[in-house]
Amino acid sequence: GDSVTQMEGPVTLSEEAFLTINCTYTATGYPSLFWYVQYPGEGLQLLLKATKADDKGSNKGFEATYRKETTSFHLEKGSVQVSDSAVYFCALQANTNAGKSTFGDGTTLTVKP
Amino acid sequence: NAGVTQTPKFQVLKTGQSMTLQCAQDMNHNSMYWYRQDPGMGLRLIYYSASEGTTDKGEVPNGYNVSRLNKREFSLRLESAAPSQTSVYFCASSEATGAYNQPQHFGDGTRLSIL
Repeated sequence: GDSVTQMEGPVTLSEEAFLTINCTYTATGYPSLFWYVQYPGEGLQLLLKATKADDKGSNKGFEATYRKETTSFHLEKGSVQVSDSAVYFCALQANTNAGKSTFGDGTTLTVKP
Repeated sequence: NAGVTQTPKFQVLKTGQSMTLQCAQDMNHNSMYWYRQDPGMGLRLIYYSASEGTTDKGEVPNGYNVSRLNKREFSLRLESAAPSQTSVYFCASSEATGAYNQPQHFGDGTRLSIL
């Protein structure tokens, strides 16, 4: 079945550091890929998405590129801020699954001033 | 601009009690979902509804029932609560059945404790 594997956390960085959160997936066909962010006490919200190979999703300084050859969708940001502290979830949506998504376990990011 | 609204936000139950978690969306979405979130386990799908009038089991349906009351509302019922059902419950919706590149929109969750 479909699965998503994220790098284990928690991740702690200093402000202005470079961020990478690894995500790899297993799926049949050509899924769409998403990154969601969850702030404390809130639900998940979409951060960015990519729907086909070599697509780059970007938002709020975050980027991720859909790499079919390595089945990966790593999240990056060049300079993190304290306000980026949150839990980040990688997810996939297969094209045969009635809109259901498969989520990774989440990676907690803490950014210190 | 409410999006997905869940009620209640917090609830404490005793073992064996029943309750219904309510969810409503105002985005005219066809598909709706119920998840539970436990520490270190990500999100696990309990039930989903691909369209009004249909419901299907997800990964962890035991101990739960759902009702898709209309296009807007999708409720989750615990008939006889157990401590293992202590969790944070999220409702989500997405735009269209079979549209596999549409993100899900989440409510803020219901924090449920069962003593």
